[in-house]
Amino acid sequence: GAGVSQSPSNKVTEKGKDVELRCDPISGHTALYWYRQSLGQGLEFLIYFQGNSAPDKSGLPSDRFSAERTGGSVSTLTIQRTQQEDSAVYLCASSLTENYGYTFGSGTRLTVV
Amino acid sequence: QKEVEQDPGPLSVPEGAIVSLNCTYSNSAFQYFMWYRQYSRKGPELLMYTYSSGNKEDGRFTAQVDKSSKYISLFIRDSQPSDSATYLCAPSGAGSYQLTFGKGTKLSVIP
Repeated sequence: GAGVSQSPSNKVTEKGKDVELRCDPISGHTALYWYRQSLGQGLEFLIYFQGNSAPDKSGLPSDRFSAERTGGSVSTLTIQRTQQEDSAVYLCASSLTENYGYTFGSGTRLTVV
Repeated sequence: QKEVEQDPGPLSVPEGAIVSLNCTYSNSAFQYFMWYRQYSRKGPELLMYTYSSGNKEDGRFTAQVDKSSKYISLFIRDSQPSDSATYLCAPSGAGSYQLTFGKGTKLSVIP
C-alpha cells in the first residue's frame, strides 16, 4: 500500500477485555515497530521486528502485551485483560531497513472504560 | 533526568514569524537526531534528519545540533498556519533502531 495502515482507528473496550490491534506496513519494508503515545507523554517504544529475526520485546510494559508478525508483513499487537492505564494511541511504523526513516501509521486510539 | 527534555508549549506565533523549537538530551551516545512533525490525530512524519553536530537546512526548516552542550534545535522561517502541529525531537545512538522521543512541542501559527 501507499502508507502504513492501522486498524481499527478507534477502539473502546471494557476493562478486563482483550483487544487486537492490526498494522499493515508498507510493502517491502522489513522493519516494523510499535510505539505507544499516552496523553502528555512522549512516544514509548514497545516492540521491534526485523525480517525473520527474533523480535526485540524489551519495551513491552507487562506480560499482558504481546505481538506477532506473520509472513514478515502484517503485525498484530494484543493486549489481554485491558486496564485503564492501557488507554493510549498505539502507533505502528515501518522502514525499509534498520534506518531512521520510519513511516508511521495514523495509530489506533484505545480507550479502556 | 529524562533522556530527552522538550518544552511542551503550547507555543503560539503570528504568521511569518521565526520559530525556534528546542530539546536537550543526556545520553552522549546519541549521534542521529531526527525531528518529526505530528498533526492532530495523525502519526508522526519525519521532517529533518541530522548526523552528529552541525546544521542542516531544508527549505524553511533548519536543524541544528550542538553535541558539546547536548542541545538540539529546529528553526522554522516564515512560519505558515500549515506549520501548526506538534514537533517531536528524536535522537538515537549508532547501531540502534530505537528512537527516544521528546514529549513534543505544540505549535500554533496564527494567520
